[in-house]
Amino acid sequence: DQQVKQNSPSLSVQEGRISILNCDYTNSMFDYFLWYKKYPAEGPTFLISISSIKDKNEDGRFTVFLNKSAKHLSLHIVPSQPGDSAVYFCAASEEANFGNEKLTFGTGTRLTIIP
Amino acid sequence: DAGVIQSPRHEVTEMGQEVTLRCKPISGHNSLFWYRQTMMRGLELLIYFNNNVPIDDSGMPEDRFSAKMPNASFSTLKIQPSEPRDSAVYFCASSLGRATVSNQPQHFGDGTRLSIL
Repeated sequence: DQQVKQNSPSLSVQEGRISILNCDYTNSMFDYFLWYKKYPAEGPTFLISISSIKDKNEDGRFTVFLNKSAKHLSLHIVPSQPGDSAVYFCAASEEANFGNEKLTFGTGTRLTIIP
Repeated sequence: DAGVIQSPRHEVTEMGQEVTLRCKPISGHNSLFWYRQTMMRGLELLIYFNNNVPIDDSGMPEDRFSAKMPNASFSTLKIQPSEPRDSAVYFCASSLGRATVSNQPQHFGDGTRLSIL
């Protein structure tokens, strides 16, 4: 039972355009969401996060949007650059549950930026 | 600063053999996590420790898997006996831990690619 879903296994975007990666979750207890980026043969690296008390968080070219009612979040990258080509994982946690540090990950979306 | 260090990077062994994966977390981090990545299920948490104590091992597949953290700077994940379906990339991650600072991201090692023949 996948509690965090990334329904698009892959996405190709022209360089300079906007990349939009989507993520859905089913567990209403999730209150903190993160995006990780992964290059081949490396571990995932933290990219950006958002708490459920917000609906948007921005960091440079990266913006994450959260729609709690729809249990949906998205990552926008603008403008997209060739170095953004990687696998992006969405993850969620129950931050209010102080004793539980578990992160639940989606299956990832492979983003390819076309020069 | 040194990140999370995992060894070996690659392991190829025959079915039935014991496999031991090793992890050195970032110095000062209180929480350590073991994940398995497969194409079908993505990144799955196997077990995590806080202050060297196992907190949640609900993701450990079966009794063939065991994990230990004898001290703050070292952890092992052992599979005995190994089976072909255990083939995957295994990641270790560490964080400061929620008791220290909230909303702390986990920092991952580069993984061990395990192939069981």
